[in-house]
Amino acid sequence: GIQVEQSPPDLILQEGANSTLRCNFSDSVNNLQWFHQNPWGQLINLFYIPSGTKQNGRLSATTVATERYSLLYISSSQTTDSGVYFCAVDPNAGGTSYGKLTFGQGTILTVHP
Amino acid sequence: NAGVTQTPKFQVLKTGQSMTLQCAQDMNHEYMSWYRQDPGMGLRLIHYSVGAGITDQGEVPNGYNVSRSTTEDFPLRLLSAAPSQTSVYFCASSPYRDYQPQHFGDGTRLSIL
Repeated sequence: GIQVEQSPPDLILQEGANSTLRCNFSDSVNNLQWFHQNPWGQLINLFYIPSGTKQNGRLSATTVATERYSLLYISSSQTTDSGVYFCAVDPNAGGTSYGKLTFGQGTILTVHP
Repeated sequence: NAGVTQTPKFQVLKTGQSMTLQCAQDMNHEYMSWYRQDPGMGLRLIHYSVGAGITDQGEVPNGYNVSRSTTEDFPLRLLSAAPSQTSVYFCASSPYRDYQPQHFGDGTRLSIL
């Protein structure tokens, strides 16, 4: 099956710093999503981004499907950004996921005040 | 609109016991799925469903059964619990439309003694 690798595995920042998280995948995908798992364990969908660039406040994401990677940018980080960031993909053709996502192992982000 | 609701939030079982993890969604989503998350790992797909009466296996289906009699509900059954099934279980749903993100429940933390 498809392989998803995220880097770095751990990241420690001071509040206000910027960061870039990377997701590499081993096969073509038509569905890529970024999630934030907060310290309470809840999974929040950040972006649905099989290609192109999207922005939502201090967060933005870019997926270059032809080169099989995606980047998540966090600017002016805050302590509430702490948690685990997951990239998840589905190689199924078309834009429909059918709920079958393959997750990377995540990047653990810690933001200190 | 409650989204995806999982019950119970916590459960402790003895080896060999059976139980059902409940998942309900009120968004009329066609697709539903179950994942497990083990320490330090991303989520892995157990079973999924593309609609009432239709289910299929994911990456780690052994030891689990599912059924989908209604659009709203997708229970996960452990017939004979084993310590290896100690994990956090997440249920997710998404609609039958292209480019729609997955919505996750808050998880069930299950310990098998």
